[in-house]
Amino acid sequence: RKEVEQDPGPFNVPEGATVAFNCTYSNSASQSFFWYRQDCRKEPKLLMSVYSSGNEDGRFTAQLNRASQYISLLIRDSKLSDSATYLCAVLLDTGRRALTFGSGTRLQVQP
Amino acid sequence: NAGVTQTPKFQVLKTGQSMTLQCAQDMNHEYMSWYRQDPGMGLRLIHYSVGAGITDQGEVPNGYNVSRSTTEDFPLRLLSAAPSQTSVYFCASRLSGANEKLFFGSGTQLSVL
Repeated sequence: RKEVEQDPGPFNVPEGATVAFNCTYSNSASQSFFWYRQDCRKEPKLLMSVYSSGNEDGRFTAQLNRASQYISLLIRDSKLSDSATYLCAVLLDTGRRALTFGSGTRLQVQP
Repeated sequence: NAGVTQTPKFQVLKTGQSMTLQCAQDMNHEYMSWYRQDPGMGLRLIHYSVGAGITDQGEVPNGYNVSRSTTEDFPLRLLSAAPSQTSVYFCASRLSGANEKLFFGSGTQLSVL
C-alpha cells in the first residue's frame, strides 16, 4: 500500500461545478498536510496547507479527518483555469522531515 | 529573490555517462531535497539535506549522489546514467519547521538513451 494515495482521475467537470478530491495517508502520526497544484510540465506550487479545524481560501476548502486518515480538497464554482493536477502532500512521521506526495488527481474543467 | 534555480532545464545523456544537476536557493533555507517525477508514480524523494554538511537518503537514492557544502547549493550527481533514470527532476527547499512551505525549482527533463 502506498503511504499517500489519491484517485488519479481524470475528473471532467463543467464550469461552475463543485468537485472534491480525497487523499488517504497511512501513518496515523503524520504531522502536516498540504495541497499542491501542478500545471502540465511545470513545478508543483503550494495551493494551501490543511489545518486540523479545516480551512478555506476563496473557492477552495481543505479538510483533515485524522480518524479516517484522509484529507480533502473542495473546489466550488470551478473555473477553466482550475484545470491542473492536484497533489496532496503529507509530512509522515518517518524522521526524514520530507514531504511524501500522492501521485496526483487530474482535473479538467470544461466550458 | 530568485527562489530555487535549477539547471539545466533539459538534458539528454547516453547510458553510462555522468552528469550533475545543479540546484541553488537564495532564501537561506536549511532544508533542501531532490525529487523525481514519473508518470503514475508521483514525486519520489531521492536525497535530502537538513543543513550544510548533512545529507541523507530518501526513497529512491540508488544511482545518485549529493553533497551540501553550502546552505545555498545542493547538486545531484548521476554517476553512470541508466535509461531507468529518465525522468523529470525537481529540487525543492524550505525552512526547517514542519509546516513550512516547500518551494520547487522549475525542473529538469532528463532523457537517458
